[in-house]
Amino acid sequence: NAGVMQNPRHLVRRRGQEARLRCSPMKGHSHVYWYRQLPEEGLKFMVYLQKENIIDESGMPKERFSAEFPKEGPSILRIQQVVRGDSAAYFCASSPVGRVGYTFGSGTRLTVV
Amino acid sequence: AQTVTQSQPEMSVQEAETVTLSCTYDTSENNYYLFWYKQPPSRQMILVIRQEAYKQQNATENRFSVNFQKAAKSFSLKISDSQLGDTAMYFCAFMKHETSGSRLTFGEGTQLTVNP
Repeated sequence: NAGVMQNPRHLVRRRGQEARLRCSPMKGHSHVYWYRQLPEEGLKFMVYLQKENIIDESGMPKERFSAEFPKEGPSILRIQQVVRGDSAAYFCASSPVGRVGYTFGSGTRLTVV
Repeated sequence: AQTVTQSQPEMSVQEAETVTLSCTYDTSENNYYLFWYKQPPSRQMILVIRQEAYKQQNATENRFSVNFQKAAKSFSLKISDSQLGDTAMYFCAFMKHETSGSRLTFGEGTQLTVNP
């Protein structure tokens, strides 16, 4: 039973490019969460999704960031026109319906140069 | 809104000794969960221990135990017989009880170093 799979593990983008981060939840998990960890800081909630629905995006920056969790395929966190301040580790986690407890992926480290 | 505070940015302990990491939180909720996560240099987030707020008994997992003081909103982690592999960043986290999913609110972390 594979865990939460995130790819790529490392991503380098130039300023102004787009970054696409992928997350495949654990089998049987229908809830997906994205968190961002800036250097030397804790994880900050960004968005919570269920299949085809955004449940809570209160932690997402209003511009340039979007997330989706389609009926088929992985969840995608998209960052348009990246800036140096977007450099961080982005973690995805998943959980099953009706149960407490997350499983985290290994994260994607985004570096904007 | 919930907040989680870890007042010790760094701590160190000698191998085989005991260390306690502090965490306080602020919430108006009555039903919630508290967690300690470990993040080694590999960056993987590893669940160490979990506490349900409605349970008075402190959670224990092998060498890891918590001191949960609900009235004081305190949730400290005790690591006994520290091992070199315990060296990591430790995060305290809060989750509101929801019938569906819920976000985690993390503290800023405590970097623990276990010295040989």
